[in-house]
Amino acid sequence: DGGITQSPKYLFRKEGQNVTLSCEQNLNHDAMYWYRQDPGQGLRLIYYSQIVNDFQKGDIAEGYSVSREKKESFPLTVTSAQKNPTAFYLCASRMGEVGYGYTFGSGTRLTVV
Amino acid sequence: AQSVTQLGSHVSVSEGALVLLRCNYSSSVPPYLFWYVQYPNQGLQLLLKYTSAATLVKGINGFEAEFKKSETSFHLTKPSAHMSDAAEYFCAVSGPQGGSEKLVFGKGTKLTVNP
Repeated sequence: DGGITQSPKYLFRKEGQNVTLSCEQNLNHDAMYWYRQDPGQGLRLIYYSQIVNDFQKGDIAEGYSVSREKKESFPLTVTSAQKNPTAFYLCASRMGEVGYGYTFGSGTRLTVV
Repeated sequence: AQSVTQLGSHVSVSEGALVLLRCNYSSSVPPYLFWYVQYPNQGLQLLLKYTSAATLVKGINGFEAEFKKSETSFHLTKPSAHMSDAAEYFCAVSGPQGGSEKLVFGKGTKLTVNP
């Protein structure tokens, strides 16, 4: 079945470490997105990419980095510059124009220990 | 910039009662509107969407929403709540064709269904 796979489901990071969250889709979607979810704050856009080798900052890009070397993959790196990284991270993709809506992965919960 | 306001961060209903979750958007042009549902520790699942075809939109699991341009609203309803409807619901908005490529989400409404 086609879908979006996020891994790992749970991730623990020590202070000062960079960690990378994986997002892979086999839907042949062009656009991919990373959102951060905190209780009571909804979903906030970190980065998005509409084509390979191109991406744009969202509303809260500081302390994060992404790459889009393949259509299927859009990994997110949480760097040590992100001071409060503990959150639930959601990856999404979109087929065609925005009226189709997004397909979401099942999320990665990142905790700083 | 477009924005979405969901009135009520928590809504509690009895099983069998009407579910009404409120969503208002800010846009000068009728946008695309979406409702998503999220169960604990899972991703979001699309319930329904408005893309300027019919103002009353039917979705999955018995939910529906009505687009009211005069009120800039897109409230989600279900006639009879079921225990399995307990989840968090998000309203989202985006631009019309040729407009914004991003969805903007509301802060969510957590629905509790009491037996």
